[in-house]
Amino acid sequence: RKEVEQDPGPFNVPEGATVAFNCTYSNSASQSFFWYRQDCRKEPKLLMSVYSSGNEDGRFTAQLNRASQYISLLIRDSKLSDSATYLCAVNTRGNKLVFGAGTILRVKS
Amino acid sequence: EAGVAQSPRYKIIEKRQSVAFWCNPISGHATLYWYQQILGQGPKLLIQFQNNGVVDDSQLPKDRFSAERLKGVDSTLKIQPAKLEDSAVYLCASSFGASDPIQYFGAGTRLSVL
Repeated sequence: RKEVEQDPGPFNVPEGATVAFNCTYSNSASQSFFWYRQDCRKEPKLLMSVYSSGNEDGRFTAQLNRASQYISLLIRDSKLSDSATYLCAVNTRGNKLVFGAGTILRVKS
Repeated sequence: EAGVAQSPRYKIIEKRQSVAFWCNPISGHATLYWYQQILGQGPKLLIQFQNNGVVDDSQLPKDRFSAERLKGVDSTLKIQPAKLEDSAVYLCASSFGASDPIQYFGAGTRLSVL
């Protein structure tokens, strides 16, 4: 089993739609969790940190479920500019980040 | 604030040749990471430095890959000899310190091995 798993998608959604991605992790000792956004042929950029019960930033909401060992990302009112790959990253001891393979989102007009 | 700088942006070599990548982290960041990202996959950690010391190199193929951060600032990753399967984007990231989990990435070096 991979340490961090994501549904690769692609998720094809119309503008204005709400879309949610899940990410599961296997190491119960994981300390912190992140969502990164990666545009085509660009570097990953931090979108949100998810430390405890989750957090919200504008149209983006991240949730953590420690009991079931998954985190989620909810995007409301999708924009064309949200089209990207969303990488889930889990931080283990020693600040080692383990990434999922990413979920592709395509928002269409 | 300047971000993580990497060079070159692109490199094409033939198998069995050697190649080196350079990274300059964000000023003041003590921790530096090298990742390999193969097409369709997430970044995979190769090596982590804290200042000029290696913290984790468990996933570095040491028979062909080497990395150094001699003065605790910029870093070089080398592959010698390269194999076809080394074709990937090599990303450098940095964070403020060992206790800071947030990492900032450079634009990467895209390596093609023919």
